[in-house]
Amino acid sequence: DAMVIQNPRYQVTQFGKPVTLSCSQTLNHNVMYWYQQKSSQAPKLLFHYYDKDFNNEADTPDNFQSRRPNTSFCFLDIRSPGLGDAAMYLCATSPRGGPYEQYFGPGTRLTVT
Amino acid sequence: AQSVTQPDIHITVSEGASLELRCNYSYGATPYLFWYVQSPGQGLQLLLKYFSGDTLVQGIKGFEAEFKRSQSSFNLRKPSVHWSDAAEYFCAVGARGYAGKSTFGDGTTLTVKP
Repeated sequence: DAMVIQNPRYQVTQFGKPVTLSCSQTLNHNVMYWYQQKSSQAPKLLFHYYDKDFNNEADTPDNFQSRRPNTSFCFLDIRSPGLGDAAMYLCATSPRGGPYEQYFGPGTRLTVT
Repeated sequence: AQSVTQPDIHITVSEGASLELRCNYSYGATPYLFWYVQSPGQGLQLLLKYFSGDTLVQGIKGFEAEFKRSQSSFNLRKPSVHWSDAAEYFCAVGARGYAGKSTFGDGTTLTVKP
């Protein structure tokens, strides 16, 4: 089945230690999104790619960066995680730009110690 | 900019009872509207969507939603709830156009009593 895969499902990192979260998709979708979701809150969009075009949200901290080396893969890099960055990170895809339905991965739960 | 309000943070219903989850949106034109469901520790799954046309839309798992322009609402309904429906439900609104993005509400947690 075509799907969105996130690895790892659970990640523990130390305060200030860089961490990378991975997302891959077999849907061949043009758009890939990264969201941060804290407990009992709505997903918060960090950035998205339309093909190779990177779109950063205005309020996304500089501590968060992303790479998309090809259509299938997208990475979220947190350069110096703080305790406030502990959250669920969700990757999603969409077949085209604009507010169309999104297909979500299962998420990566990040813990910062 | 668009916004979404889900007035109910938490709803409890008995298994077999009917369900209605409320969603109100703010947007200057006809929006794209979505309902997603999130089980604990999982990603979001699309239940249904409204783009245009018939204002009553059917989704997966027996859910439906009705778009009411006059009330700026897109409420989610199910006639008979199953225990497996316990989850968090998010309403989302999207602005039309290439650069449009979806904005999510804060979610409603559904608990199902046996």
